[in-house]
Amino acid sequence: GQNIDQPTEMTATEGAIVQINCTYQTSGFNGLFWYQQHAGEAPTFLSYNVLDGLEEKGRFSSFLSRSKGYSYLLLKELQMKDSASYLCAVNSGGYNKLIFGAGTRLAVHP
Amino acid sequence: DGGITQSPKYLFRKEGQNVTLSCEQNLNHDAMYWYRQDPGQGLRLIYYSQIVNDFQKGDIAEGYSVSREKKESFPLTVTSAQKNPTAFYLCASAEVNQPQHFGDGTRLSIL
Repeated sequence: GQNIDQPTEMTATEGAIVQINCTYQTSGFNGLFWYQQHAGEAPTFLSYNVLDGLEEKGRFSSFLSRSKGYSYLLLKELQMKDSASYLCAVNSGGYNKLIFGAGTRLAVHP
Repeated sequence: DGGITQSPKYLFRKEGQNVTLSCEQNLNHDAMYWYRQDPGQGLRLIYYSQIVNDFQKGDIAEGYSVSREKKESFPLTVTSAQKNPTAFYLCASAEVNQPQHFGDGTRLSIL
């Protein structure tokens, strides 16, 4: 079967660093996406990894290990506005079909 | 401005009624997708289309239907056969292996 696992909830302090993990088992792999979703809103694209290694984009970085079926999203210098759900999604191959994890709800406290 | 427009924002369905959710994009993307999101859950794929006049079932297509008569439009009909339609519906579009861009969603409830 196809499975994507993420922690359900995480909490962190403003200004700190948080790492959100994602493990996946899919029949194919053409890349992994991270999206941010505020409550009641549409997901917005954060990062895309297709090769192993770290992709950095400002305060957000994403890492991929294809051999381990593992990715993480790293958020630095946390701000209150970073309180949201973070969705891990795998392009399992063909037609850009994405399989989404259930999302990790991050709460940032002062 | 380029983007994806979903309408209406809120929709109520009566028992036995079919309702249609609109999705329009002006990004010139070939592929379009419909997802359903239930509280506390991830997105589940209902239907997708890679090209005009062609579409495929996703993981939860039962009780739904779509059409793709124009590149920019991909409406979703929630039929009376869908017994649990209350959810947040999201439309997306993309180029191959590129990030999907989402509309603002339609929240469907039962009257």
